Amino acid sequence: RKEVEQDPGPFNVPEGATVAFNCTYSNSASQSFFWYRQDCRKEPKLLMSVYSSGNEDGRFTAQLNRASQYISLLIRDSKLSDSATYLCVVNTGFQKLVFGTGTRLLVSP
Amino acid sequence: EPEVTQTPSHQVTQMGQEVILRCVPISNHLYFYWYRQILGQKVEFLVSFYNNEISEKSEIFDDQFSVERPDGSNFTLKIRSTKLEDSAMYFCASRGTQGPSKYFGPGTRLTVT
Repeated sequence: RKEVEQDPGPFNVPEGATVAFNCTYSNSASQSFFWYRQDCRKEPKLLMSVYSSGNEDGRFTAQLNRASQYISLLIRDSKLSDSATYLCVVNTGFQKLVFGTGTRLLVSP
Repeated sequence: EPEVTQTPSHQVTQMGQEVILRCVPISNHLYFYWYRQILGQKVEFLVSFYNNEISEKSEIFDDQFSVERPDGSNFTLKIRSTKLEDSAMYFCASRGTQGPSKYFGPGTRLTVT
């Protein structure tokens, strides 16, 4: 089983739509959870951390379900500039981050 | 916003040659990392470095790889004898005392021919 699993997409949505991505992780000892954004051939950039209580940052909402080992990201009112690959990332408490393969989002006019 | 810098942005080398990829982490950061991303694949951890020594490495980071912090600002990744499968984007990252590797450099694209 992959350490971090994501649907690769692509998700094609019109501007203004709401879109949700999911991710599952295999290591129950994982301690920290994040969503990163990666544009084509660019470096990953931290979008937001994910907490059990759920957290929101503007149009973005992240949720964590530790019992199901499941992480989600909701994007409301999609913009063209949201087109990118969204990476689910887990930290098991050691030094490294473990990345999913990413979910590609394409927002069209 | 502070940033991690990397040089060169693109390196082309022949199989069997040595390459050194350079990174300048954020100045007050203490933990340094190298990750790589083969085209079309996920970002993979290579190595972490703290207090002038490797703190963790992946199975990818074999004897052909080494890291060094030669002075107070640079952090380098050396590949002794490059293979075709080393072709990838190599990202350097750094962090302070808390939090994840928030700061990734722009990457060096390594092409081995």
